[in-house]
Amino acid sequence: QKEVEQDPGPLSVPEGAIVSLNCTYSNSAFQYFMWYRQYSRKGPELLMYTYSSGNKEDGRFTAQVDKSSKYISLFIRDSQPSDSATYLCAMSLYGNKLVFGAGTILRVKS
Amino acid sequence: DAGVIQSPRHEVTEMGQEVTLRCKPISGHDYLFWYRQTMMRGLELLIYFNNNVPIDDSGMPEDRFSAKMPNASFSTLKIQPSEPRDSAVYFCATLRNRAGELFFGEGSRLTVL
Repeated sequence: QKEVEQDPGPLSVPEGAIVSLNCTYSNSAFQYFMWYRQYSRKGPELLMYTYSSGNKEDGRFTAQVDKSSKYISLFIRDSQPSDSATYLCAMSLYGNKLVFGAGTILRVKS
Repeated sequence: DAGVIQSPRHEVTEMGQEVTLRCKPISGHDYLFWYRQTMMRGLELLIYFNNNVPIDDSGMPEDRFSAKMPNASFSTLKIQPSEPRDSAVYFCATLRNRAGELFFGEGSRLTVL
């Protein structure tokens, strides 16, 4: 079993839809949870950063962490074609050595 | 700041050849990471350094891989001899403090024929 599980997709949605992306993990000691966005032929860029449990909102993006279920989510409201990318969840014990999910390919159709 | 700079962006080589990938980290970042990304295995951590010292190289696949960080401004990842299964995108990433945003370079796309 992988330490972090993420459905690779692809996930295809119409413009304006609400997108839900998820990861599960096995290591209950993880404290730092992140979402990275990666455009084609580019390096990943940090989208959301959460320490411990709870929700965090930034514009159209909301990150949720449920440590009791070992489950994290990223919601994208009013999705745009420019959101089309691969979304990678990542987590860490101390914030430095990150373990990444496989990434979910998202396609937003106009 | 120019961000993390990697070279070469693309490398095509033949099996058995030596490959050297280079990384210039963001100034002032204490941590440097080398990741490998493939469709099959996703992003895998190969090795990371803190203040130029290798901390964890447990992800280095085998002895053919080696990494150095001779100073705070430069790191290399070397594969010798290269094999077709080493074909991947290799990313260098840096971190200012123990916890925070990891900044990635644009990657070096390696193809070994």
